Amino acid sequence: AQKVTQAQTEISVVEKEDVTLDCVYETRDTTYYLFWYKQPPSGELVFLIRRNSFDEQNEISGRYSWNFQKSTSSFNFTITASQVVDSAVYFCALSLNSGYSTLTFGKGTMLLVSP
Amino acid sequence: ETGVTQSPTHLIKTRGQQVTLRCSSQSGHNTVSWYQQALGQGPQFIFQYYREEENGRGNFPPRFSGLQFPNYSSELNVNALELDDSALYLCASSRGLLQETQYFGPGTRLLVL
Repeated sequence: AQKVTQAQTEISVVEKEDVTLDCVYETRDTTYYLFWYKQPPSGELVFLIRRNSFDEQNEISGRYSWNFQKSTSSFNFTITASQVVDSAVYFCALSLNSGYSTLTFGKGTMLLVSP
Repeated sequence: ETGVTQSPTHLIKTRGQQVTLRCSSQSGHNTVSWYQQALGQGPQFIFQYYREEENGRGNFPPRFSGLQFPNYSSELNVNALELDDSALYLCASSRGLLQETQYFGPGTRLLVL
């Protein structure tokens, strides 16, 4: 069975600080997909990124960057120069390439960015 | 915005009642998945519909049932509501089954008293 662990329950930073959200996953499958979603107070899950297990290249998109390391089963997410609008709950999720494409989510990390 | 819509936004029911939640998928998407998110937890997979057939199910009892219509919209029905069914119910649509990103709607907040 697959599992996603987000050990950080809540992180508080001051605006303009960099912050890294950790995600560790478990699966026996060799082909899988990893996701990050953002959930603002409104409740809607907003898709941020998807990576497949064969692509360990790190990615940068504006102030966001992702570090995928298969050797440590980690898929960490960094926000550079955080802003108040980044305040939300962030979820890491895992999907397998077999059966049906259900997402297995971690418990989420609440990020609070203060002005 | 994703184009996935859900109704109603909020709902209050009493224990033992039945509820129907609705979801309209994004244009071009034929797969709908439903998730339950309890307070302070990550979403939990309920089931998935692909081309009007149930394609997979999580660890939820049979009183959770669903439908998908020819236009790929979907319903989630919950019978004999229990207090623990109070949660945010999220619907997600995707273009197909595998290797596809799921896009979520705003959710329906259900409170069971």
